[in-house]
Amino acid sequence: GAVVSQHPSWVICKSGTSVKIECRSLDFQATTMFWYRQFPKQSLMLMATSNEGSKATYEQGVEKDKFLINHASLTLSTLTVTSAHPEDSSFYICSVTNIQRGSNQPQHFGDGTRLSIL
Amino acid sequence: QQPVQSPQAVILREGEDAVINCSSSKALYSVHWYRQKHGEAPVFLMILLKGGEQKGHEKISASFNEKKQQSSLYLTASQLSYSGTYFCGTDFSGAGSYQLTFGKGTKLSVIP
Repeated sequence: GAVVSQHPSWVICKSGTSVKIECRSLDFQATTMFWYRQFPKQSLMLMATSNEGSKATYEQGVEKDKFLINHASLTLSTLTVTSAHPEDSSFYICSVTNIQRGSNQPQHFGDGTRLSIL
Repeated sequence: QQPVQSPQAVILREGEDAVINCSSSKALYSVHWYRQKHGEAPVFLMILLKGGEQKGHEKISASFNEKKQQSSLYLTASQLSYSGTYFCGTDFSGAGSYQLTFGKGTKLSVIP
């Protein structure tokens, strides 16, 4: 069965709207979750690492105030795209890894959220 | 620094074999392989740790050449279900899954 649940699958909204995306770890407690962004026919680009109970670690070039991450529990991380604009349109994917088993564990990806800003 | 995958795209007939390469200019601790079908999330295939290890899963296997800083994914007797984009994720720091840098992907199309 699914290891990760990500919602919503699709979002279409007007420019200036804030959009929240949820990522839930279903099989194990995840102290760390990852948020990726993928443009059409492009690679997965790590945006940030979400840490339970502490601040997220953002990759270079990713605006912290634009992409708010909250990891309030061991099974839930949220990504909020604030005041979204057309250039924020993309495919956003979260992933979790069972770090309790060691660092070289598979990443389990959510089904992704396709965000379209009009 | 992003690993380089080759080829960028390949078309195969069912039953044919393919090799996808993932090369790095930096030393690697591990290489992770994923397959993504159009519009879906990536799915884990396997992890190769440094040591020249070779792993296999059904008719898909991979090797890791530490000296060459390269990993290769081998698909034998390809099936229609193998179609998708294959990504390698490279670990440059020893942090494993915590810090993977993915290549641009290799699009594999298997036709009848």
